[in-house]
Amino acid sequence: EAEVAQSPRYKITEKSQAVAFWCDPISGHATLYWYRQILGQGPELLVQFQDESVVDDSQLPKDRFSAERLKGVDSTLKIQPAELGDSAMYLCASSLNPPTGKHTEAFFGQGTRLTVV
Amino acid sequence: DAKTTQPTSMDCAEGRAANLPCNHSTISGNEYVYWYRQIHSQGPQYIIHGLKNNETNEMASLIITEDRKSSTLILPHATLRDTAVYYCIVRGKGSARQLTFGSGTQLTVLP
Repeated sequence: EAEVAQSPRYKITEKSQAVAFWCDPISGHATLYWYRQILGQGPELLVQFQDESVVDDSQLPKDRFSAERLKGVDSTLKIQPAELGDSAMYLCASSLNPPTGKHTEAFFGQGTRLTVV
Repeated sequence: DAKTTQPTSMDCAEGRAANLPCNHSTISGNEYVYWYRQIHSQGPQYIIHGLKNNETNEMASLIITEDRKSSTLILPHATLRDTAVYYCIVRGKGSARQLTFGSGTQLTVLP
């Protein structure tokens, strides 16, 4: 069964360092999402891509976070510099483009657990 | 997208039906109700969605009230592996509409 792949699964970094996460969506999925999930809370959308274009990055802290999906396939989320408050699970999800009026489900990866020390 | 309200936690005996409620009193006519669940340390998993008719699949049933202001997710025979956080989400049409998660309900299935 096709899955959304994320790496690494776990990352420990010191504050002020740079860190990057990688996501490979399910083949053929044009829509890709990055979510952040703080312990005990639901996931919060950071950025949404349609192919290589950003559809919504209104919740992305752009002073330190960046995301790209250059070829419209895999994607990278970067934090520079990392802060203690960035400790969280970073989840990637992908979905097909639904036909007009139809819905498709989003498939999530296992996430990357980031700890900033 | 409309906001949802769910209980923080619920328990259910193994083998019994688990009924998870969700209030979405501000839902609009073209918004769907989605349910996802998240098992500890995993990504969320799609369960089911519906507009106004009751829906059933291999995982669960979704009952939506006639006024669409609330819904109930039913797991007919809960197992220990159903222990998870269950999220009720209201989502509009169109591929650009994201999933906006609340805090969900922690369901614990007891042996």
